[in-house]
Amino acid sequence: DAGITQSPRHKVTETGTPVTLRCHQTENHRYMYWYRQDPGHGLRLIHYSYGVKDTDKGEVSDGYSVSRSKTEDFLLTLESATSSQTSVYFCAISGTSSGNTIYFGEGSWLTVV
Amino acid sequence: AQSVTQLDSQVPVFEEAPVELRCNYSSSVSVYLFWYVQYPNQGLQLLLKYLSGSTLVKSINGFEAEFNKSQTSFHLRKPSVHISDTAEYFCAVSEGDAGNMLTFGGGTRLMVKP
Repeated sequence: DAGITQSPRHKVTETGTPVTLRCHQTENHRYMYWYRQDPGHGLRLIHYSYGVKDTDKGEVSDGYSVSRSKTEDFLLTLESATSSQTSVYFCAISGTSSGNTIYFGEGSWLTVV
Repeated sequence: AQSVTQLDSQVPVFEEAPVELRCNYSSSVSVYLFWYVQYPNQGLQLLLKYLSGSTLVKSINGFEAEFNKSQTSFHLRKPSVHISDTAEYFCAVSEGDAGNMLTFGGGTRLMVKP
């Protein structure tokens, strides 16, 4: 158990509505990440954070924003959900004590109808 | 930029047979290499990793992978698979210390048949 909790685990929402996914960690790791998983693409990085209020874009950041006001929480927001954002979203963490290893949460299944 | 290619999207194999899941990467710098396993409806679990040292790394459940720098490969092998090994396997690479992001391959679905 990597000490990562994602919420909600499952959500169905309508096109055009805002959605926020939450990632909470108990490991006090510095780095947090949001990935999305789609068939044939593996996992692709959306955004990541290297400290409180320090975030940067990943490979597929369009349509997503993030915030990190506390070490333990990393929020992913879809300002106006689209069907192309139907996916499984994974939060991940890493830090000095994890060496060079990134650990993943259990995932959040999002369906945009 | 780094990239990872998993050459097989699906690998069917009979129980107790050997298996190899192939992974090739491209990068202009030294890399760290990882294999993750994902069971249905679950998150990714670290299976094994290469950071430095011995190029042959092993997991606790019988998998092993060998880092081959000249061929830029990190193939995953198991001499005898079990039904419980049925899962999706992802190869990933990062270019440095903690905080550097992982780039994933597209995944290989291992299907072990009785």
